[in-house]
Amino acid sequence: GAGVSQSPRYKVAKRGQDVALRCDPISGHVSLFWYQQALGQGPEFLTYFQNEAQLDKSGLPSDRFFAERPEGSVSTLKIQRTQQEDSAVYLCASSSLPRGAGNQPQHFGDGTRLSIL
Amino acid sequence: KQEVTQIPAALSVPEGENLVLNCSFTDSAIYNLQWFRQDPGKGLTSLLLIQSSQREQTSGRLNASLDKSSGRSTLYIAASQPGDSATYLCAAGSYQLTFGKGTKLSVIP
Repeated sequence: GAGVSQSPRYKVAKRGQDVALRCDPISGHVSLFWYQQALGQGPEFLTYFQNEAQLDKSGLPSDRFFAERPEGSVSTLKIQRTQQEDSAVYLCASSSLPRGAGNQPQHFGDGTRLSIL
Repeated sequence: KQEVTQIPAALSVPEGENLVLNCSFTDSAIYNLQWFRQDPGKGLTSLLLIQSSQREQTSGRLNASLDKSSGRSTLYIAASQPGDSATYLCAAGSYQLTFGKGTKLSVIP
């Protein structure tokens, strides 16, 4: 597709369940980012991939959060043993250049709205 | 740690008015400054990206400026239209963007 695609658009889970969120970046984009956006707040950085390598995971809030991009295209964000404070919109973005290679805008998907009951 | 602040939090203007949205950041050693638009229930749409070596960027009715010495950026919207109603976010950084909370703009017909 022409843009970043995320699925599912909405996810409701009970506290303690595991969830998996998918991101399809723009074809050929080297860089992939995950952000978490709480209600009424700006997005907060979670993790960064350059191709299949996870180069920065400094924003992941706990070891319950895990992200992967095994073939350098599609990425999955997994949250284990979900808690109510995990409720947020999870945004994925991609960019055509690797970090430090220049200035290219990040292109965002519409996000997955996660609600933990 | 970089902090980004946007003022005002909300703004309501009549159609046709010119307006300015403000963004301030604490660390002047930014790599670039990016402005986004977010519609309800949607992701972010990139509007303008200003590199740290630049002073401004223009796209149609939008003009964004960057003053690193004062830690400020502004987004100027000319001849506002109801379709401009959205939340506008600014973000500073290189690959790891730090966002403000946004300004919610309402343009009244």
